[in-house]
Amino acid sequence: EAGVAQSPRYKIIEKRQSVAFWCNPISGHATLYWYQQILGQGPKLLIQFQNNGVVDDSQLPKDRFSAERLKGVDSTLKIQPAKLEDSAVYLCASAPRGGGETGELFFGEGSRLTVL
Amino acid sequence: GNSVTQMEGPVTLSEEAFLTINCTYTATGYPSLFWYVQYPGEGLQLLLKATKADDKGSNKGFEATYRKETTSFHLEKGSVQVSDSAVYFCALSDYTGANSKLTFGKGITLSVRP
Repeated sequence: EAGVAQSPRYKIIEKRQSVAFWCNPISGHATLYWYQQILGQGPKLLIQFQNNGVVDDSQLPKDRFSAERLKGVDSTLKIQPAKLEDSAVYLCASAPRGGGETGELFFGEGSRLTVL
Repeated sequence: GNSVTQMEGPVTLSEEAFLTINCTYTATGYPSLFWYVQYPGEGLQLLLKATKADDKGSNKGFEATYRKETTSFHLEKGSVQVSDSAVYFCALSDYTGANSKLTFGKGITLSVRP
């Protein structure tokens, strides 16, 4: 079974530029998450989708971050304009609808963003 | 709200030493508890999990027991190997059947010397 796919793996941009990350979840997983992992910290949830609807975006900085999940499959996370403090690894995860039996999430390898 | 507290790191051990990494949590209801591991250059992987009180999760020689009375889920291994060097995250899921998400601790870096 293919895992969660993310791209690009690495991105370096200057502040005020824009960047987009892509995620393709495990086939059949209805729930998709974007987490931000800043160096030395645990992952923090940015947004959660159920199919193509947003379930929780309470911690998404909406003035600069946006995310969509058209057709309820793959998803894009965009940052515009980027700030220095956005340097982090952006993790995509998926799960069966409602988290399945136990709430376990399946993670991609992440996209590392460096803002100069 | 929900939160997870992990002991401060990093931790450096010699090969074959005993490992304990402490994790406590605050949550409403009855969360599931997880340990995820992140090896250098790789993504987060589930190491083990426990879904109810007194359950013991185990994998690759690691164990953790869900202690509701002390709200803890400490990770242990009797004899660590160099290949166990990684970052370990404790997490809980406020699984409601319709809106599950993970809350993570800060993580702790384990380095094992040969």
